[in-house]
Amino acid sequence: SQTIHQWPATLVQPVGSPLSLECTVEGTSNPNLYWYRQAAGRGLQLLFYSVGIGQISSEVPQNLSASRPQDRQFILSSKKLLLSDSGFYLCAWSALRDMNTEAFFGQGTRLTVV
Amino acid sequence: LAKTTQPISMDSYEGQEVNITCSHNNIATNDYITWYQQFPSQGPRFIIQGYKTKVTNEVASLFIPADRKSSTLSLPRVSLSDTAVYYCLVGESGFQKLVFGTGTRLLVSP
Repeated sequence: SQTIHQWPATLVQPVGSPLSLECTVEGTSNPNLYWYRQAAGRGLQLLFYSVGIGQISSEVPQNLSASRPQDRQFILSSKKLLLSDSGFYLCAWSALRDMNTEAFFGQGTRLTVV
Repeated sequence: LAKTTQPISMDSYEGQEVNITCSHNNIATNDYITWYQQFPSQGPRFIIQGYKTKVTNEVASLFIPADRKSSTLSLPRVSLSDTAVYYCLVGESGFQKLVFGTGTRLLVSP
Protein backbone atom coordinates (compact mmCIF):
# COMPACT_ATOMS: atom_id res chain seq x y z
CA SER A 1 0.00 0.00 0.00
CA GLN A 2 1.02 3.57 -0.50
CA THR A 3 2.23 5.71 2.38
CA ILE A 4 3.48 9.24 2.69
CA HIS A 5 5.99 10.40 5.26
CA GLN A 6 6.52 13.99 6.27
CA TRP A 7 8.87 15.31 8.92
CA PRO A 8 9.40 16.88 11.31
CA ALA A 9 5.99 17.14 12.97
CA THR A 10 6.80 20.42 14.69
CA LEU A 11 9.55 22.95 14.18
CA VAL A 12 10.47 26.22 15.83
CA GLN A 13 12.93 28.31 13.88
CA PRO A 14 14.31 31.84 14.35
CA VAL A 15 13.75 34.50 11.74
CA GLY A 16 16.45 34.40 9.10
CA SER A 17 17.32 30.76 9.60
CA PRO A 18 17.11 28.20 6.77
CA LEU A 19 14.37 25.62 6.38
CA SER A 20 14.21 22.13 4.94
CA LEU A 21 11.08 19.99 5.11
CA GLU A 22 11.14 16.58 3.53
CA CYS A 23 8.36 14.40 2.19
CA THR A 24 8.68 10.89 0.79
CA VAL A 25 6.12 8.58 -0.76
CA GLU A 26 6.23 4.80 -0.77
CA GLY A 27 4.35 2.23 -2.79
CA THR A 28 3.75 4.20 -5.96
CA SER A 29 5.75 5.58 -8.85
CA ASN A 30 5.62 8.86 -10.74
CA PRO A 31 3.17 10.54 -8.37
CA ASN A 32 2.06 14.16 -8.50
CA LEU A 33 3.52 15.82 -5.41
CA TYR A 34 2.25 18.93 -3.63
CA TRP A 35 3.23 21.32 -0.87
CA TYR A 36 0.50 23.29 0.88
CA ARG A 37 0.54 25.83 3.67
CA GLN A 38 -2.34 26.52 6.02
CA ALA A 39 -2.39 29.54 8.29
CA ALA A 40 -4.34 29.27 11.53
CA GLY A 41 -8.06 29.07 10.81
CA ARG A 42 -7.56 29.48 7.10
CA GLY A 43 -7.80 27.31 4.00
CA LEU A 44 -5.11 25.37 2.19
CA GLN A 45 -2.80 27.39 -0.01
CA LEU A 46 -1.08 25.48 -2.78
CA LEU A 47 2.61 26.43 -2.79
CA PHE A 48 4.24 24.04 -5.24
CA TYR A 49 3.36 21.00 -7.27
CA SER A 50 5.47 18.59 -9.29
CA VAL A 51 4.59 16.08 -11.99
CA GLY A 52 8.07 14.58 -12.29
CA ILE A 53 11.69 14.67 -11.19
CA GLY A 54 13.06 18.18 -11.44
CA GLN A 55 9.69 19.58 -12.58
CA ILE A 56 8.41 22.16 -10.12
CA SER A 57 5.54 24.59 -10.58
CA SER A 58 5.25 27.49 -8.17
CA GLU A 59 1.86 28.91 -7.33
CA VAL A 60 2.68 31.76 -5.01
CA PRO A 61 5.74 34.06 -5.13
CA GLN A 62 7.53 33.86 -1.82
CA ASN A 63 10.89 33.12 -0.26
CA LEU A 64 10.25 29.37 -0.37
CA SER A 65 11.47 26.90 -2.97
CA ALA A 66 10.84 23.25 -3.71
CA SER A 67 12.87 20.48 -5.23
CA ARG A 68 12.22 16.94 -6.38
CA PRO A 69 15.57 15.19 -6.51
CA GLN A 70 14.01 11.73 -6.73
CA ASP A 71 10.72 10.39 -8.04
CA ARG A 72 9.15 10.03 -4.60
CA GLN A 73 10.93 12.76 -2.67
CA PHE A 74 9.75 16.34 -2.38
CA ILE A 75 11.62 18.98 -0.39
CA LEU A 76 10.48 22.42 0.72
CA SER A 77 13.24 24.89 1.50
CA SER A 78 13.97 28.44 2.46
CA LYS A 79 17.26 30.25 2.77
CA LYS A 80 15.94 32.81 5.27
CA LEU A 81 12.66 32.35 7.11
CA LEU A 82 10.26 35.21 7.72
CA LEU A 83 7.72 35.50 10.52
CA SER A 84 5.00 35.18 7.88
CA ASP A 85 6.28 31.71 6.98
CA SER A 86 4.75 30.31 10.16
CA GLY A 87 1.97 27.85 9.49
CA PHE A 88 0.97 24.25 8.99
CA TYR A 89 2.75 22.70 6.01
CA LEU A 90 1.28 19.69 4.28
CA CYS A 91 2.74 17.42 1.65
CA ALA A 92 0.43 15.38 -0.57
CA TRP A 93 0.55 13.03 -3.54
CA SER A 94 -1.90 11.88 -6.18
CA ALA A 95 -1.75 9.53 -9.12
CA LEU A 96 -0.80 11.22 -12.35
CA ARG A 97 -3.05 9.32 -14.72
CA ASP A 98 -5.79 7.76 -12.68
CA MET A 99 -9.53 8.09 -12.94
CA ASN A 100 -9.61 8.56 -9.19
CA THR A 101 -8.26 11.98 -8.28
CA GLU A 102 -7.91 11.17 -4.61
CA ALA A 103 -4.98 12.93 -2.96
CA PHE A 104 -3.20 11.57 0.09
CA PHE A 105 -1.76 13.89 2.69
CA GLY A 106 1.06 13.60 5.16
CA GLN A 107 0.65 14.38 8.83
CA GLY A 108 1.91 17.91 8.39
CA THR A 109 4.63 20.08 9.93
CA ARG A 110 3.71 22.85 12.33
CA LEU A 111 6.30 25.57 11.71
CA THR A 112 6.65 28.49 14.10
CA VAL A 113 9.07 31.22 13.15
CA VAL A 114 10.12 33.30 16.15
CA LEU B 1 -9.83 24.29 -12.75
CA ALA B 2 -13.41 25.35 -12.30
CA LYS B 3 -13.93 27.79 -9.45
CA THR B 4 -16.07 26.54 -6.58
CA THR B 5 -18.25 28.36 -4.07
CA GLN B 6 -19.33 26.90 -0.75
CA PRO B 7 -20.96 28.30 2.39
CA ILE B 8 -18.37 29.43 4.90
CA SER B 9 -19.96 27.62 7.81
CA MET B 10 -22.89 25.43 8.84
CA ASP B 11 -24.28 24.32 12.16
CA SER B 12 -26.09 21.08 12.92
CA TYR B 13 -27.04 18.76 15.76
CA GLU B 14 -26.18 15.16 16.34
CA GLY B 15 -28.36 12.72 14.42
CA GLN B 16 -29.39 15.19 11.74
CA GLU B 17 -28.68 14.91 8.05
CA VAL B 18 -26.36 17.63 6.74
CA ASN B 19 -26.28 18.77 3.13
CA ILE B 20 -23.42 20.97 1.95
CA THR B 21 -23.79 22.45 -1.50
CA CYS B 22 -20.98 23.51 -3.79
CA SER B 23 -21.47 25.71 -6.87
CA HIS B 24 -19.24 25.18 -9.89
CA ASN B 25 -20.86 27.02 -12.76
CA ASN B 26 -17.86 26.70 -15.08
CA ILE B 27 -17.39 22.96 -14.71
CA ALA B 28 -15.94 21.37 -17.84
CA THR B 29 -17.08 18.22 -19.57
CA ASN B 30 -14.18 16.15 -18.26
CA ASP B 31 -14.26 17.49 -14.70
CA TYR B 32 -14.96 15.29 -11.71
CA ILE B 33 -16.23 16.56 -8.36
CA THR B 34 -14.34 15.53 -5.25
CA TRP B 35 -14.99 16.24 -1.58
CA TYR B 36 -12.48 16.22 1.25
CA GLN B 37 -12.78 16.43 5.03
CA GLN B 38 -10.19 18.09 7.25
CA PHE B 39 -9.87 17.93 11.02
CA PRO B 40 -7.71 20.45 12.90
CA SER B 41 -3.96 19.85 12.59
CA GLN B 42 -4.47 17.06 10.07
CA GLY B 43 -4.29 16.82 6.31
CA PRO B 44 -7.53 16.61 4.32
CA ARG B 45 -9.03 13.20 3.77
CA PHE B 46 -10.86 12.06 0.64
CA ILE B 47 -14.57 11.50 1.22
CA ILE B 48 -16.22 10.92 -2.12
CA GLN B 49 -15.97 11.63 -5.83
CA GLY B 50 -18.51 11.70 -8.62
CA TYR B 51 -19.19 12.76 -12.18
CA LYS B 52 -22.97 12.78 -12.46
CA THR B 53 -26.23 11.71 -10.76
CA LYS B 54 -25.60 10.09 -7.38
CA VAL B 55 -22.68 8.39 -5.72
CA THR B 56 -22.86 6.75 -2.31
CA ASN B 57 -20.25 5.19 -0.09
CA GLU B 58 -20.08 4.18 3.54
CA VAL B 59 -19.71 7.73 4.84
CA ALA B 60 -21.56 10.05 2.46
CA SER B 61 -23.62 10.57 -0.65
CA LEU B 62 -22.91 12.97 -3.47
CA PHE B 63 -25.77 14.35 -5.53
CA ILE B 64 -25.02 15.96 -8.89
CA PRO B 65 -27.84 17.43 -11.00
CA ALA B 66 -28.00 16.96 -14.75
CA ASP B 67 -26.39 20.34 -15.53
CA ARG B 68 -23.52 19.55 -13.11
CA LYS B 69 -23.23 23.20 -12.11
CA SER B 70 -23.55 22.29 -8.47
CA SER B 71 -23.17 19.31 -6.19
CA THR B 72 -24.38 18.41 -2.73
CA LEU B 73 -22.50 16.40 -0.16
CA SER B 74 -24.92 14.63 2.15
CA LEU B 75 -23.82 13.36 5.54
CA PRO B 76 -26.47 11.12 7.14
CA ARG B 77 -27.01 11.31 10.90
CA VAL B 78 -23.98 13.38 11.80
CA SER B 79 -22.14 12.94 15.06
CA LEU B 80 -19.85 15.25 17.02
CA SER B 81 -16.88 13.68 15.25
CA ASP B 82 -18.13 15.02 11.92
CA THR B 83 -17.20 18.54 13.03
CA ALA B 84 -14.61 19.50 10.43
CA VAL B 85 -13.97 21.58 7.35
CA TYR B 86 -15.34 20.17 4.09
CA TYR B 87 -13.80 21.09 0.75
CA CYS B 88 -15.24 20.71 -2.72
CA LEU B 89 -12.79 20.37 -5.61
CA VAL B 90 -13.56 20.27 -9.30
CA GLY B 91 -11.06 19.17 -11.87
CA GLU B 92 -10.15 16.73 -14.58
CA SER B 93 -9.42 13.18 -13.51
CA GLY B 94 -5.72 12.90 -12.94
CA PHE B 95 -5.32 16.67 -13.13
CA GLN B 96 -2.04 18.03 -11.92
CA LYS B 97 -3.07 20.96 -9.76
CA LEU B 98 -5.16 20.42 -6.67
CA VAL B 99 -6.47 23.79 -5.54
CA PHE B 100 -8.64 23.87 -2.45
CA GLY B 101 -11.18 26.60 -1.85
CA THR B 102 -12.01 28.05 1.55
CA GLY B 103 -14.20 25.09 2.48
CA THR B 104 -17.27 24.83 4.71
CA ARG B 105 -16.74 24.67 8.45
CA LEU B 106 -19.34 22.28 9.89
CA LEU B 107 -20.03 22.41 13.60
CA VAL B 108 -22.06 19.56 15.07
CA SER B 109 -23.49 20.20 18.52
CA PRO B 110 -25.00 17.78 21.05
